[in-house]
Amino acid sequence: EAGVAQSPRYKIIEKRQSVAFWCNPISGHATLYWYQQILGQGPKLLIQFQNNGVVDDSQLPKDRFSAERLKGVDSTLKIQPAKLEDSAVYLCASSFKRGAGANVLTFGAGSRLTVL
Amino acid sequence: DAKTTQPNSMESNEEEPVHLPCNHSTISGTDYIHWYRQLPSQGPEYVIHGLTSNVNNRMASLAIAEDRKSSTLILHRATLRDAAVYYCILRDFGTYKYIFGTGTRLKVLA
Repeated sequence: EAGVAQSPRYKIIEKRQSVAFWCNPISGHATLYWYQQILGQGPKLLIQFQNNGVVDDSQLPKDRFSAERLKGVDSTLKIQPAKLEDSAVYLCASSFKRGAGANVLTFGAGSRLTVL
Repeated sequence: DAKTTQPNSMESNEEEPVHLPCNHSTISGTDYIHWYRQLPSQGPEYVIHGLTSNVNNRMASLAIAEDRKSSTLILHRATLRDAAVYYCILRDFGTYKYIFGTGTRLKVLA
């Protein structure tokens, strides 16, 4: 099966600019996650979707970050305006529907953001 | 959210077994124990998971303590390709939330 697709792989922007990341999960995976991974740290959950509804966004800085998952498939994560501390790898992951036995995560390769 | 504690780093010789420990003293009865690993410049990948019983798959074995307050990931014969950061995670039963810690960086020596 095809993996989780993310784009762009790399992005360099100036602070206060905006940026958007796109994720296409594995077909049939109802749950989608966005993680932020700062260099040297473990991934930090930003937002979790179940189909097109938000399950958890408690760690999403809502004054500058937004995410949507229209039609319960693709998802977009936006940062506006970006700050220097937003420099990180943004990882998208998906898993099969809740209630399924294994429910393991499959990650994309990530989008590396550098804010200058 | 239940937390896990892992050593920051470990070393192993190639072709020797590796035991990666994880403490999770606040685990609830319905939390699954998951292990993922992250190779350089890649997203994390699934390794193994379990609830109460020990588990084996083609990549590794998972030994879970009887009280479930700790677990150990066992790589039976480490190779250079196993050098990665290994994360022990408790999957929240109610929300299916996965909270990563800082993980253990495994170095494999040739």
